[in-house]
Amino acid sequence: SYVLTQPPSVSVAPGQTARITCGGNNIGSKSVHWYQQKPGQAPVLVVYDDSDRPSGIPERFSGSNSGNTATLTISRVEAGDEADYYCQVWDSSSDPLYVFGTGTKVTVL
Amino acid sequence: EVQLVESGGGLVQPGGSLRLSCAASGFTFSSYSMNWVRQAPGKGLEWVSYISSSSSTIYYADSVKGRFTISRDNAKNSLYLQMNSLRDEDTAVYYCARALVAVAGLDYWGQGTLVTVSS
Repeated sequence: SYVLTQPPSVSVAPGQTARITCGGNNIGSKSVHWYQQKPGQAPVLVVYDDSDRPSGIPERFSGSNSGNTATLTISRVEAGDEADYYCQVWDSSSDPLYVFGTGTKVTVL
Repeated sequence: EVQLVESGGGLVQPGGSLRLSCAASGFTFSSYSMNWVRQAPGKGLEWVSYISSSSSTIYYADSVKGRFTISRDNAKNSLYLQMNSLRDEDTAVYYCARALVAVAGLDYWGQGTLVTVSS
């Protein structure tokens, strides 16, 4: 099965930039989606198709994908960005077909 | 406004059955693929099952194949998950989530319904 690896945690000061990586074999050939999940809430899609943002998601959230690593970047971090973040791909040759990353807890210092 | 509302969760004994429902509103339900995704307490997200807009294509995770059945009723704007032979490890919050097509992101999620499998 396809595996997506994320760092367990990332800490960042308010106003700084947080970068969350998502590693997978040749992930650059796949479309990567990113979700934000706050405690007790459902996940929210923040970036889709590597770098596009759904309506209502601040421009501070951006994504990139190349080679074996996809990255979610949160610029000018705010206290409200503290959450768990998951990357996800769809792989027709894998089981499961929808693969989620291991998740990264972003802590705002 | 897009809304997905799950129901049907609860406490069930190992080996028992449960049927989850997801009521959709605020969009053309019959135009979207739908998924079930679960999250065990304190754990990450795990995809469970996918159904295409017309029900012509269905996928399951290996962990539930042969025990769970996904279905939908486009006339009732509803998605279902029939769960049989439940195990302790099926304990989780179950979310329904929509996607335009399989490869697309899951752009709207319900609030989830908790399933607890315990004797």
